[in-house]
Amino acid sequence: QQQVKQSPQSLIVQKGGISIINCAYENTAFDYFPWYQQFPGKGPALLIAIRPDVSEKKEGRFTISFNKSAKQFSLHIMDSQPGDSATYFCAASRDNNNDMRFGAGTRLTVKP
Amino acid sequence: DVKVTQSSRYLVKRTGEKVFLECVQDMDHENMFWYRQDPGLGLRLIYFSYDVKMKEKGDIPEGYSVSREKKERFSLILESASTNQTSMYLCASSPNPRTTGLYGYTFGSGTRLTVV
Repeated sequence: QQQVKQSPQSLIVQKGGISIINCAYENTAFDYFPWYQQFPGKGPALLIAIRPDVSEKKEGRFTISFNKSAKQFSLHIMDSQPGDSATYFCAASRDNNNDMRFGAGTRLTVKP
Repeated sequence: DVKVTQSSRYLVKRTGEKVFLECVQDMDHENMFWYRQDPGLGLRLIYFSYDVKMKEKGDIPEGYSVSREKKERFSLILESASTNQTSMYLCASSPNPRTTGLYGYTFGSGTRLTVV
C-alpha cells in the first residue's frame, strides 16, 4: 500500500516550459515533505523540501506548493531545461526522520 | 566527496545463495536505511536502524535481515536469494533531527542485484 501517491508516472515537457508533478499522502503525522532527483546510475539526491507550516517554498527554478487540508503537495520546475531530465520522487516522513516513504516516481524528459 | 558508499555497483548471484550488501557512511549519522527500487513502485523501505545494534522492519522485510554492529556500517542480508529479489538496492543515512535539527537522507549510488 503506497503511503504517498505520485503522478504522473512520466512527463515530457519542452525546454522553457513548466513541469508539474503532484503527490498526495494519507498519514497526517507526516510533517516533512522532500523531493528527490535521481539521474541514471546515481542514487536520489535531495532537491528541495518543505514543512507543513508554510504553503510554498522556492529555491531557484524549483517550487514546492503544499496544501495541508487537501494533503497534497506538488513540485513546479520553471523554465525546464534538458539537464532537468531525471526521475523525481516525492516523499514524506514524520519528525523522527526515520521512516520516510516515497512516491512511485516521475520520469521527466525535457525536450530541447 | 563520497558520503554513503555501497560496496558493489553490480552483483549477480544464484538462487539460494546468501547475499551480503554492505553500506558505509562517513557523516556520523544515527539513522541508516535500506530501500529497494523497482520501476513503477518507487523506493520501498526494507529495514532501518536508528542506533548501533537496533533495527526496525520497514514495509517489505520478508526475506531480508540486517546488521548494524558499528555506527557507520549497515549491512543487508538476503538469507536465501530468490529471483523476485532482483532489484536495485539503495542505502541511505540521515541525522537525527531531534538532536541536530537537520532532515533529509543521503543515498548511496545503489547496488543492482540480479538473482539467476
